[in-house]
Amino acid sequence: EPEVTQTPSHQVTQMGQEVILRCVPISNHLYFYWYRQILGQKVEFLVSFYNNEISEKSEIFDDQFSVERPDGSNFTLKIRSTKLEDSAMYFCATTRYTPPTTGEQYFGPGTRLTVT
Amino acid sequence: AQKVTQAQTEISVVEKEDVTLDCVYETRDTTYYLFWYKQPPSGELVFLIRRNSFDEQNEISGRYSWNFQKSTSSFNFTITASQVVDSAVYFCALSEFNTGNQFYFGTGTSLTVIP
Repeated sequence: EPEVTQTPSHQVTQMGQEVILRCVPISNHLYFYWYRQILGQKVEFLVSFYNNEISEKSEIFDDQFSVERPDGSNFTLKIRSTKLEDSAMYFCATTRYTPPTTGEQYFGPGTRLTVT
Repeated sequence: AQKVTQAQTEISVVEKEDVTLDCVYETRDTTYYLFWYKQPPSGELVFLIRRNSFDEQNEISGRYSWNFQKSTSSFNFTITASQVVDSAVYFCALSEFNTGNQFYFGTGTSLTVIP
């Protein structure tokens, strides 16, 4: 069964450093997302991406964050200058549905980001 | 305001007991979708079910069943004859027609099934 993959599974970085989290969506999916989950808390929406541009973003997704699809397969989340509070599990999700239709999103296994 | 409320933070049941996880949602959209996801200790999010706002039929899948009631804005999840492998955090989520495809997650219910 096709699945979303994410690399790395765990990233440790120092405050102020840039990190890039990578996701490979399911091949026929067109709509991509990043979510984050601070330890023990709920999953929070960051950004959605469709047709090579940001579709929606939350208040969390400030100028320190960016997303892109550098090639035909990867979907990346970049944090330019990490802060301690960026420590969280970051999930990539993809769906075959495009607006206005909504459907289930399939989540990758997550990247645990630890900022020290 | 919370769009999705899961009032039960933690639940413990003994194996083979039935357990119901509550989910209450809030939306002004007439078209919306509700979901349940399971997050086992390994951390991934596993899709369980999707329901749209026009379909109030309850659904059963094996030991899992879902009760969708628009009148009370609830989408509750019942596990029958619980098993140790059901131990996980369960998240209810809402997606609204007018706010695109982003999901609003509840805070999750941590279920522990005791052997």
